[in-house]
Order: sequence, then C-alpha cells, then structure tokens
Amino acid sequence: GESVGLHLPTLSVQEGDNSIINCAYSNSASDYFIWYKQESGKGPQFIIDIRSNMDKRQGQRVTVLLNKTVKHLSLQIAATQPGDSAVYFCAETPGANSKLTFGKGITLSVRP
Amino acid sequence: AAGVIQSPRHLIKEKRETATLKCYPIPRHDTVYWYQQGPGQDPQFLISFYEKMQSDKGSIPDRFSAQQFSDYHSELNMSSLELGDSALYFCASSEGGGNTEAFFGQGTRLTVV
Repeated sequence: GESVGLHLPTLSVQEGDNSIINCAYSNSASDYFIWYKQESGKGPQFIIDIRSNMDKRQGQRVTVLLNKTVKHLSLQIAATQPGDSAVYFCAETPGANSKLTFGKGITLSVRP
Repeated sequence: AAGVIQSPRHLIKEKRETATLKCYPIPRHDTVYWYQQGPGQDPQFLISFYEKMQSDKGSIPDRFSAQQFSDYHSELNMSSLELGDSALYFCASSEGGGNTEAFFGQGTRLTVV
C-alpha cells in the first residue's frame, strides 16, 4: 500500500547547528507535501509545503527539498533553537481537499 | 487569528459508552478532516467533509460516525467505546478551491477506562 515514512525515530542536535530531517514516500501520484511540527499535547502545526513540480522551497530558517526520482523529502532547519524541539511529521496528499497521509514522526531534541 | 476549535479538550468515558467530539473550523473553511493519533503514533485519517458532504473515508470504525452541519462545524460520534479508542482526536480544516493547507485544532484527548 501507499505509505510515507521517516528514516530515524529521533534526532539530537546542538543548539545553533543545522538539522536535517528525512522522509521517504511511496505514492508517486502525490502532488503536495507538507512538514508539520507537533509539540506535546498540541495539534500538528504547519511548517512548510512544496508541490510536486518544485525541487526546493525556502521559508524562514526552514528549507524543504523534494527529490521525486527517489521519492525523498527533507526538512532543513537552520540554526536550530530549543523551541524547535518537537516531533516532526511529513505528510503527502494527492491534491486539494484530499486527506493527508502522515509519515512516522521523528523527535527533534535540541541540546543547549 | 481564529483557529480550529475542538471541544471538549479532555474526555473520559467507560467502555461501551458513547462520546461526541465537536470541531469548529476556521471561518470560511468548508473542508473538515478528522484524525486519530494513538500514543507515539502518527495521525491516522478517519473521515473528511467538503461542503457538508462526506468527501473521503479512511480507517474509521463502523462504530463511529460523523457529519458536517450547515454552519460547517463537524461532530464525530463514537459508540460502544473500546479501550483501544483511547487517543488524541484532531480536527483540521481547510479552504476548498485548491488551497490544501490544513490547519489543525488542539485536539480532544479521549480516555476510555
């Protein structure tokens, strides 16, 4: 079946370093990819998205890269801060008003 | 800015009881999604509505039902609750017509004892 998955369950980084979170997806028909951040006891919070016709998209301190050839998605966080500590999920959807399929979350822990 | 409102935030029910979870989407959002998130798990899609009609259905048990009302709020009805139904239930809303960014509520934590 279709699935979206993350390679690593946890990631520990030093404050100020850059973080890279990776995600693999299997549905080649996916058109839209999103990264969500979830803090304890809260709902997923939108970070950044990218459409299938793009390779890279930058936001504030975050960059999402999409490699459709190998069905790989990554989230780069520059100058990681303690407030970035959370669980990160990648998600994909085939298009508008369609459900999101989430990958397995990865916990980002920022060391002071 | 207004966000997705879910109520109640916490709910404790006994086995075989029923529960109703409510979701109030962001104003002008016409699409609502329900997700279930078990401990340490990723959110699993249950069901969605677009313009008050069911638009997609995921792994929602037959014991559960949901609907979207004329004011676009949605309710998830859960009957014959089981211990395994204990989870966080999230509602998300989005604006149709090509905008696919879904905004999530804070969730309802359901505990079945």
